[in-house]
Amino acid sequence: KAGVTQTPRYLIKTRGQQVTLSCSPISGHRSVSWYQQTPGQGLQFLFEYFSETQRNKGNFPGRFSGRQFSNSRSEMNVSTLELGDSALYLCASSFWGGNTGELFFGEGSRLTVL
Amino acid sequence: QQQVKQSPQSLIVQKGGISIINCAYENTAFDYFPWYQQFPGKGPALLIAIRPDVSEKKEGRFTISFNKSAKQFSLHIMDSQPGDSATYFCAAINSFSGNTGKLIFGQGTTLQVKP
Repeated sequence: KAGVTQTPRYLIKTRGQQVTLSCSPISGHRSVSWYQQTPGQGLQFLFEYFSETQRNKGNFPGRFSGRQFSNSRSEMNVSTLELGDSALYLCASSFWGGNTGELFFGEGSRLTVL
Repeated sequence: QQQVKQSPQSLIVQKGGISIINCAYENTAFDYFPWYQQFPGKGPALLIAIRPDVSEKKEGRFTISFNKSAKQFSLHIMDSQPGDSATYFCAAINSFSGNTGKLIFGQGTTLQVKP
């Protein structure tokens, strides 16, 4: 069974640009969550989607957005990039959601903002 | 109140020794406490998890001890091996409040097991 796939794995952007990251969950999983990982702040929850609906949102500015498609694939977008947005963005999938903490993470998309 | 505090930040253990990582929380609504292991260049992977109605859970060399009254839980890695060298994250979730997918993570502990 294929795991969670995230693309692209690495990308470099400049301040003010926008970026779109993609996540393909494990087959059959309907929930997709996004996390930001940085050395200073650790792992922070961005949002969760279930059946194309945002079910939960973390404390990030509106520049961070996401969506989920009918095949459960998800994308997140960051607009007007800032230097502080440099991070590893992790996608996690689960069948129902994170109720049991059993999230399956991808390897992440490493974003560098110059 | 949503924080999970993890210590130590880094840990060096000799092969065969016991690695102990501690976490503390404030929110008594948390009802599920997973531990994740992350190797460089990889995403976190679920290692072991516990609910607060259980004081201890063991899976192979990995044991979670849970102290509900103290709001603390810890991961013990027995007979630590160089292959255990990784970053470990404790986490917590309130699974009944609709916070699905919203794990609250500790800051992480980088474990190095010396041969």
